[in-house]
Amino acid sequence: DAKTTQPNSMESNEEEPVHLPCNHSTISGTDYIHWYRQLPSQGPEYVIHGLTSNVNNRMASLAIAEDRKSSTLILHRATLRDAAVYYCILGDDKIIFGKGTRLHILP
Amino acid sequence: GAGVSQTPSNKVTEKGKYVELRCDPISGHTALYWYRQSLGQGPEFLIYFQGTGAADDSGLPNDRFFAVRPEGSVSTLKIQRTERGDSAVYLCASSLTGDRDRDTQYFGPGTRLTVL
Repeated sequence: DAKTTQPNSMESNEEEPVHLPCNHSTISGTDYIHWYRQLPSQGPEYVIHGLTSNVNNRMASLAIAEDRKSSTLILHRATLRDAAVYYCILGDDKIIFGKGTRLHILP
Repeated sequence: GAGVSQTPSNKVTEKGKYVELRCDPISGHTALYWYRQSLGQGPEFLIYFQGTGAADDSGLPNDRFFAVRPEGSVSTLKIQRTERGDSAVYLCASSLTGDRDRDTQYFGPGTRLTVL
């Protein structure tokens, strides 16, 4: 029933960029794309969100495909503190978190 | 400023007992959400309040689960006749307007419920 599909896990080296993909082929025209992350033993925290255009903030960038059926969260320079589970969700009446992507950062 | 807080942080109870979990949202946030998270899974939506009223309770698994938000601020999730399968982390989140499409949700640290 998940509306988004993400890889179960990824790993990256510290201080390198990380690209986390998300597929949402059933997205509707008004659904925003939200990314949250969850550090161990904490609640999820907001990372970024967007509708159609690419978005940047101090934490990350969000690249949205032209057809909006996929998006990529970009961490420009990963640190050990970025190791977390990253969730891509669609903002609509049914908020469904999948299992997310567990990101491992290698020192 | 103060974020979302949840109490207790941990709750251990026996099968069949009644429990209450409390959530203090960010001041001024009109919307409040409850989620349940089992080990290795993402948060699972339970219920959403807009002000004092439950705008969507479609995620509550059965009638043993009930939640209130009488003054539009603090919320309590109540579980009757607890079962071992209710063991999970219960997360609360609040958002400013409750526009589920574009609003950012701010999560609390969760309450870990263990039913023996």
